[in-house]
Amino acid sequence: EVQLVESGGGLVQPGGSLRLSCSASGFTFSSHAMSWVRQAPGKGLEWVSAISGSGGSTYYADSVKGRFTISRDNSENTLLLQMNSLRAEDTAVYFCARLPRPSYDILAGYNNYFDYWGQGTLVTVSS
Amino acid sequence: QSVLTQPPSASGTPGQRVTISCSGSSSNIGSNFVYWYQLLPGTAPKLLIYRNNQRPSGIPDRFSGSKSGTSASLAIRGLRSEDESDYYCAAWDDRLSVHLFGGGTKVTVL
Repeated sequence: EVQLVESGGGLVQPGGSLRLSCSASGFTFSSHAMSWVRQAPGKGLEWVSAISGSGGSTYYADSVKGRFTISRDNSENTLLLQMNSLRAEDTAVYFCARLPRPSYDILAGYNNYFDYWGQGTLVTVSS
Repeated sequence: QSVLTQPPSASGTPGQRVTISCSGSSSNIGSNFVYWYQLLPGTAPKLLIYRNNQRPSGIPDRFSGSKSGTSASLAIRGLRSEDESDYYCAAWDDRLSVHLFGGGTKVTVL
C-alpha cells in the first residue's frame, strides 16, 4: 500500500525557516517524481514544487522560487522541502504527492498529475 | 481568482446525480488533460479522474469525467453521504508552464 506521511510543520515567524519531510513507503520511491502542493486556509490548491525520481531536476512555482528548495533522499525514501524567508502568505497545509512516472515533464505537462497524496502538515507563518 | 473556474458549491439528495463544471481556456483545458481530485478534511486527497475520463482502480464508476473544448465536468451518479467533500479540477497550462488547480467545489448531500 502506498503511504506518504508528512512531518515538520509548525509555527514560525516571518522571515524564518522550516524543513518539511515526507516519508514514503509501499512503492519504489526512486521510480517516481514527487511534488509538494499546498492549501492556504479557506483557499484552493496550489502546486509548489516538483522533483524528478533521480533528484536531478527540480521545478518551482514563481511564488516560492529562490526561497524554497526541494530535494530527496532515495536511500531513505524521503522527500524534503526546505523553506526559507517564510512569509504570512506561505501559511498553508503542505501535501506531498506522488507522480505516476519518473519525471515531471515540462514539455509534455499534460502528463503531470498526482496519483497518491499524504495527509498534509500545517505550516503557520505568524509573529 | 483561479484560472480554472469551478462553482463554489453544489448539492443533491442521496441517489441524485450531481455535476461539477470546470471552465478554462485554450492554453489549459483546451489543449491538455483534465484531472479531478477529492479532498476530505483531515484525510489525504484522492485522485478521482485522470486524463479527462479515466478512473484509477478503486474509484467507483459512480464518478465520471468528461471534457469538451475549454470546459470539463465531473459527474457523481447515485450521490451518497460519503461523497460530501471538496472537489478540485486540474490541468497543465501551456502558457504558464504550471499545473493549475480550480478553486474547488464543495458538494453537500442534503
